[in-house]
Amino acid sequence: EVLLVQSGAEVKKPGESLRISCMASGYRFAEYWVAWVRQKPGMSPEFMGVVYPDDSDTKYSPSFQGQVTISAHRSLRSASLQWDSLKTSDTATYYCARGSEGLDYFDYWGQGTQVTVSS
Amino acid sequence: QSALTQPRSVSGSPGQSVTISCTGTTNDVGGYKYVFWYQQHPGKAPQLILYDVTERPSGVPDRFSGSKSGNTASLTISRLQAEDEADYFCCSYAGSFTFVFGTGTKVTVL
Repeated sequence: EVLLVQSGAEVKKPGESLRISCMASGYRFAEYWVAWVRQKPGMSPEFMGVVYPDDSDTKYSPSFQGQVTISAHRSLRSASLQWDSLKTSDTATYYCARGSEGLDYFDYWGQGTQVTVSS
Repeated sequence: QSALTQPRSVSGSPGQSVTISCTGTTNDVGGYKYVFWYQQHPGKAPQLILYDVTERPSGVPDRFSGSKSGNTASLTISRLQAEDEADYFCCSYAGSFTFVFGTGTKVTVL
């Protein structure tokens, strides 16, 4: 069974750093892209970027390039999303999702990580 | 990249059919066959219900069907059931390893 299990909810202050994670199981982790998606309350999801664990190739949506860092640790079967300096506008739920073979769509999703940034 | 346009809400009685449109541009919906749809219940993760415009993942009822014409894709839910009440999002590949989601549609079962 394919499972993506994300790290728990976070409450941070503006300017703080943060890394959230996504642990994969049930498939050959290195061979499938992992995507990160942001969803603000009451809003539609936004694609942030993808990482290919086998070689750590990373692609970012132009809207998120330079704002976050997406990475993967092949041996730990984990993907991460990192901020160096959070803003209140980063408050959202963040999902990781597995890309299909060929990256046509996202077939399995994590349960989401709620990130709250408030002074 | 602008979000794909969906109606804010649609509703129907049990047993009826509803159709949700998803309008983009030639740079996304109109340019690729890679349109997919998600169902999301409140507080839950999205669940894939259609991919490649018309294909259903294993376990998704055949009441869910998809189509595409030009820059607009559509999701039809036939024989509407109470459990279908949820938010639905479309998503399209937009080239260069990017994807764009729709604005989302709330389906209400009357």
